Parts: sequence; C-alpha cells; structure tokens
Amino acid sequence: AQSVSQHNHHVILSEAASLELGCNYSYGGTVNLFWYVQYPGQHLQLLLKYFSGDPLVKGIKGFEAEFIKSKFSFNLRKPSVQWSDTAEYFCAAPYDGSGNTGKLIFGQGTTLQVKP
Amino acid sequence: EAQVTQNPRYLITVTGKKLTVTCSQNMNHEYMSWYRQDPGLGLRQIYYSMNVEVTDKGDVPEGYKVSRKEKRNFPLILESPSPNQTSLYFCASSLSSGGYGTGELFFGEGSRLTVL
Repeated sequence: AQSVSQHNHHVILSEAASLELGCNYSYGGTVNLFWYVQYPGQHLQLLLKYFSGDPLVKGIKGFEAEFIKSKFSFNLRKPSVQWSDTAEYFCAAPYDGSGNTGKLIFGQGTTLQVKP
Repeated sequence: EAQVTQNPRYLITVTGKKLTVTCSQNMNHEYMSWYRQDPGLGLRQIYYSMNVEVTDKGDVPEGYKVSRKEKRNFPLILESPSPNQTSLYFCASSLSSGGYGTGELFFGEGSRLTVL
C-alpha cells in the first residue's frame, strides 16, 4: 500500500527565489509519480509525471522533479518562481505503485505563496 | 473542447436530503473517479470506475454511492447527506483503464457542497 507525504504545508517565497517542494512515497516497487497544481479557484492540472527512464522529469511552466529511488523522493523544483506560481501543489502516486488498481493517493498538498 | 463537467458547482443542502452530483466527460475516457478535498487532508478518493459497470471503493466511500451505466457519466450520490460531507468534490477521468501507466487525470471544476 502506498502513502504519500509532503513535508511543507505552506511555503512563502519572493519572486525569483528558487523553489523545492518535498514529496516522499512509501511503495518499494515500480512506481509512477505525479505532481499536480491547483491555481486559486481552479481545478487540478498535471504539472509533470514520472513513469520510467530519466529520473529528472521536466514539466510545464519551468517546473522539474527528480525521482530518487533510494530516498523514496520525488521533489518538485523551479529555479525562479513567479507571482503566477501561487497555487497549491499536490504530489500523487498510485496505491500499488504502477496504477493497476485504479486508486491514486495524493499528498496533503503544499500551498505556495509568491510575493511580488 | 475536451473537458470534465460537474454539476452543480455550488450547493447548500440540509441533513438527510438526497442529492446527486453529476459528472460527464467528452473524451471517451475509460477511467473515472471522485475525490473530496478538505483543508489539511489533500484529496481523498471516494470511488472510482475502471470502465462501464465497474466501480470500486476508494479510501473514503462511506456515505456515498456511484454508478457507471454509460462511459461518459459517473454521478456521485449522497443518499442521506450529513455535515461531515461538507467538502469540495472533484470528478476526474483518464484515458487508461489500467490506471495511470499511460495517462493523466483530467479534473472537473469542482463542486462545493455544504450540508447544514
């Protein structure tokens, strides 16, 4: 069974600062991993995903994430944040790692506030 | 336009009054799912459906029912709503019935439900 935890619940940054949001998962086997973003008042949308291959995954809007299997981590990064990155960010992973059961587990979410 | 449509978007009701939140997708997706979003708890899966007539429980199914009679529709039914079901509900769909190996989740705009 999978659990997903996000360590930072609320992050406040100034524009141009670098961002790293932590995500750890528990499943020890093959795993697919996702980061979703929810802008204020909007629905969730996919930022990036990892299935296999290169552990450094690039997503939309300059975001990237690194899969480190030995640390069970999939941290989200952006070199320079903008005010428009203010949103809630969710890490997610399938219950059984690869998604065959159809159950997707989300982390608690991290609220990012970027000050202009 | 490809989308997941939920109705109603906002609803205030009273304890015990049955209600249905509809969800429809126009992408011919096999997989559909319902989540509720609560502060500090992230998104929790209520029910999901791998295909027509195939549904299964997520992490928090108590007090909810679903049906999948057609591929495009996946209504969420609260037979006897209670105040602890006050939440923001999201419907989502994905192309892959095998989970997330090839697809991403597409979310609806959300339905904010208040049960008095």
